[in-house]
Amino acid sequence: AQKITQTQPGMFVQEKEAVTLDCTYDTSDPSYGLFWYKQPSSGEMIFLIYQGSYDQQNATEGRYSLNFQKARKSANLVISASQLGDSAMYFCAMGSGGGADGLTFGKGTHLIIQP
Amino acid sequence: DADVTQTPRNRITKTGKRIMLECSQTKGHDRMYWYRQDPGLGLRLIYYSFDVKDINKGEISDGYSVSRQAQAKFSLSLESAIPNQTALYFCATSDFRKQGVVRDTQYFGPGTRLTVL
Repeated sequence: AQKITQTQPGMFVQEKEAVTLDCTYDTSDPSYGLFWYKQPSSGEMIFLIYQGSYDQQNATEGRYSLNFQKARKSANLVISASQLGDSAMYFCAMGSGGGADGLTFGKGTHLIIQP
Repeated sequence: DADVTQTPRNRITKTGKRIMLECSQTKGHDRMYWYRQDPGLGLRLIYYSFDVKDINKGEISDGYSVSRQAQAKFSLSLESAIPNQTALYFCATSDFRKQGVVRDTQYFGPGTRLTVL
């Protein structure tokens, strides 16, 4: 069975600071994908970034990067130069085979950016 | 226009009623999913479908059924709604076959907020 653990229920960060959101995972599948989604207060789920288990380099998408440490089974999301609009719930998720059979989600981290 | 739409967006119903939530997509994806979100629990998979002839149960399928009427349409039914099915329901799609893009990324609809009294 797959499991995602997000140990930070809530975080307060000053605007323009970098933010690291923690995510650890557990799976016995050698092929898997890791995803981060953002859920603002309006409720929609917004895809941010993806990391495949066989990818050699850490994924980056604009201000988002994924610090993938396979041996430690961690996939932390890093947001550089945080903005007020980054305030939201953030979910880490995993799928075997890249997510074809559906994703397993963590419980989320509520990030609040303070001016 | 949104690529993944869900109807209704909000619904209040009573215990024992039959409810259908509908999902349509214009992304041309072959895979569709239903999740529910409860406060503090993240999202959990209810059912998923690889095509109109392939339906699979997820983690929490009890009390739910689905129908894949066409590649673009995937509906979720609660045959006899109960209060603990009060939740935010999301439909999602993905396209495993698409080349040149992130593999198996799931794209979510806006959600349906269901309240069962």
